[in-house]
This record gives sequence, C-alpha cells and structure tokens, in this order.
Amino acid sequence: QVQLVQSGAEVKKAGASVKVSCKASGYTFLSYDIKWVRQATGQGLEWMGWMNPNSGKTVYAQNFQGRLALTRNLSTNTAYMELSRLKSDDTAVYYCARKDGFWSADPWGQGTLVTVSS
Amino acid sequence: SVLTQPPSLSGAPGQRVTISCTGSSSNIGTFDVHWYQQVAGAAPKLLIYGNNNRPSGVPDRFSGSKSGTSASLAITGLQADDEADYYCQSYDRSLSGSGVFGGGTKVTVL
Repeated sequence: QVQLVQSGAEVKKAGASVKVSCKASGYTFLSYDIKWVRQATGQGLEWMGWMNPNSGKTVYAQNFQGRLALTRNLSTNTAYMELSRLKSDDTAVYYCARKDGFWSADPWGQGTLVTVSS
Repeated sequence: SVLTQPPSLSGAPGQRVTISCTGSSSNIGTFDVHWYQQVAGAAPKLLIYGNNNRPSGVPDRFSGSKSGTSASLAITGLQADDEADYYCQSYDRSLSGSGVFGGGTKVTVL
C-alpha cells in the first residue's frame, strides 16, 4: 500500500537546522509531488511547500522563503525537509504528504515532532 | 488563516452538522477544495477531494460542496467517532500557488 514513513523526533537549539526525512513506498516516487505541512501544539495546519521529485522543482510558502529547503534522494525514494535558523516557534509536528491528481494530500506521513529549545 | 472556518460545532448522535469554509476569488473561487479529518494525536486524513469526491473507505455520511468562494462539509448521522478537527484546504494564486488551510473546526459529539 502507499505509505510515507518519517524520521523520528528531534530536539534542536535555537539557531540550528533540522532535517526531516520522508520515505515513500508502494507507488512510483517520481510521479507525485511531496508536500510539507506543520502543526504547532494545539494549533491548525500550516502549509510549508512542495517538491516535484522528478524535476526537483520546489515551491515554498512565503513565510518560509530563505529558511526552507526541500530535496530528495531518488535512489532511496526519500524526500527531505530542512529548516534552518530555528526559532522557538518552529516547535511543531512536521508532516509530509503525497500530492495526488486532484492536488489534495493523500496519504500523510505519521508526523515528526521537532522541539526547539533556547 | 486565509480560509475561514467556525472554530467549533457540536451535535447529538444522529444529527447533521455543516462546516463552512469561506475564501475569496484568488483561492476557492479558482481552485478545488479538499477536506481533512484529524482525530486527536493522529495525522490528518483525506476526507473529501476535488470539492465533492470521497476517497474509498470514507462513509457517504460525509459530503462536500462548493459554490463561488465558499465550500462546506456536511456530516449526517453524526457518530461518536466523528469527533475530530476538520480542515478545509485550497490553493491561492495571489500566494504564487501556495496551499492554504482553514483554521480548523472542532466537532464535538454531545
């Protein structure tokens, strides 16, 4: 079945960077964009951006321009989200999701908690 | 949030609840709307795609619609395990095609 499995929880200091992985299985990785969304504790969903694994093209939300890098490794069918210059309000659960033919997100990874301490 | 949803709604078992999602011509007026269900402690799950389509496995008690710059999600025959947060999502051409979410609606089954 189609599945996205994310890397484990991270604890980082303010100012550092974090890199979260999202390993895809059960479908042709090159054929679907991967989106990234985050959710602070008790808050709603926030769009971060997406990447086309075939071309490597990325689209980033304005809030993350200059701090966010979405990449991929085609040999392992893995997408990566790297966020730099971390601040305490970057503490959140980060999700990857596959962008399907209707541009909706399905399925989602299980989420990765990133905690930023000062 | 770019898309506006009511923060909370409630209903008794068996009742119908409708969640609204209001946007503008640059988002809902241009792009499809999708809906996600998120139960406590879990990742969001796709509930409705392309305004009014249900993925396989989603009960027909859930239905979506869109008109102009607004959309809505209806849940009929409310059940205890429908208690969750619901989010609408679209895209916005004024934000270079970035995705946008509603703030989410907490549905409580009384």
